[in-house]
Amino acid sequence: EDQVTQSPEALRLQEGESSSLNCSYTVSGLRGLFWYRQDPGKGPEFLFTLYSAGEEKEKERLKATLTKKESFLHITAPKPEDSATYLCAVRYTGGGNKLTFGTGTQLKVEL
Amino acid sequence: NAGVTQTPKFRILKIGQSMTLQCTQDMNHNYMYWYRQDPGMGLKLIYYSVGAGITDKGEVPNGYNVSRSTTEDFPLRLELAAPSQTSVYFCASIQGVNQPQHFGDGTRLSIL
Repeated sequence: EDQVTQSPEALRLQEGESSSLNCSYTVSGLRGLFWYRQDPGKGPEFLFTLYSAGEEKEKERLKATLTKKESFLHITAPKPEDSATYLCAVRYTGGGNKLTFGTGTQLKVEL
Repeated sequence: NAGVTQTPKFRILKIGQSMTLQCTQDMNHNYMYWYRQDPGMGLKLIYYSVGAGITDKGEVPNGYNVSRSTTEDFPLRLELAAPSQTSVYFCASIQGVNQPQHFGDGTRLSIL
């Protein structure tokens, strides 16, 4: 069964059009939820770690939030350079130091 | 610092050939990981290591082998390449528990 599900699979936005990406998880004993950005031909680049429900982290136009069942990555007034695939991953009790990844959301921001 | 370095960047193999994907990190990290990424499938863990001399299987270890003789290096070996192993392979490392993983830029492997 899928433990980490990301939606939508793909998202096309106009520059300045704010939106949110979703990452829902079914693991118990969450020990950390990680957001990564991946550009074509590159490895994932770390963005945020969230540990407990209610926690929020911000970086430039990105804001990540966490509840007991899901996380959102809010993108405010996106620019074309925000175009990338956004991955979330979880570390949980019983999983050791391993991460379980979702399949990602491909974001394209157009002028 | 170079971070996590993977070589080669691209490779084409014939069915049945063998090869080693190299991964080196210069951050003195204890934990290292190998993933494969297939289109629309996310990252799947192949093998990981918590320190020199210690390795363990991930979700999809069949057809692969690893070794960890030093802290810096974590090579991934394919013994008998099969078309199902066509993928992009990523190596990652972390210093300690609950730290974010640092990734290399991947090796794109095609098996024909």
